[in-house]
Amino acid sequence: QQQVKQSPQSLIVQKGGISIINCAYENTAFDYFPWYQQFPGKGPALLIAIRPDVSEKKEGRFTISFNKSAKQFSLHIMDSQPGDSATYFCAASRSGTASKLTFGTGTRLQVTL
Amino acid sequence: SQTIHQWPATLVQPVGSPLSLECTVEGTSNPNLYWYRQAAGRGLQLLFYSVGIGQISSEVPQNLSASRPQDRQFILSSKKLLLSDSGFYLCAWSVGGATGELFFGEGSRLTVL
Repeated sequence: QQQVKQSPQSLIVQKGGISIINCAYENTAFDYFPWYQQFPGKGPALLIAIRPDVSEKKEGRFTISFNKSAKQFSLHIMDSQPGDSATYFCAASRSGTASKLTFGTGTRLQVTL
Repeated sequence: SQTIHQWPATLVQPVGSPLSLECTVEGTSNPNLYWYRQAAGRGLQLLFYSVGIGQISSEVPQNLSASRPQDRQFILSSKKLLLSDSGFYLCAWSVGGATGELFFGEGSRLTVL
């Protein structure tokens, strides 16, 4: 019940294209869904996050789409750039006194010229 | 502004040797503190978290332990390392008392030979 399943494992997109990464969760108590971006040799950093009271959240070129009934959420990167090449992790947690995030297995994105 | 420091950045240890990884946070008080381990293809796994001095919660039974001797200091230890302890260890903090953004350190790469 604590799993977060992420796909694809790796993704190659041309510059200017749309990158789409999908995640599915099982625990219906989860109510916080962030995406983290990690560059090689660095710690992950928060990219964008959503709570289940909305179905979509957009910040610049990054959009989270959330489907509560299907227990799925996805990250869309519009106009993908080479600088977006990184590993992306979805995560989920339930409200509480600590941010006990359950992470997906990660997607390595490569944006080619 | 808040900063998180984690050291050492890399270390190579023989099987059976002890381990001590340290993490300190500056610029905030009463943070929640976390230790995650990142293994290839397996995402980030929460090992320990702490909501206050001396308060440690273990998420995964293992060969490791954690301590929080001061408000902004978090230590990951082992008395005898196993080969399976190799990995990338990440310390993180979040604002105390709520679910929210995790701020990660730069990580420590441990290789056990």
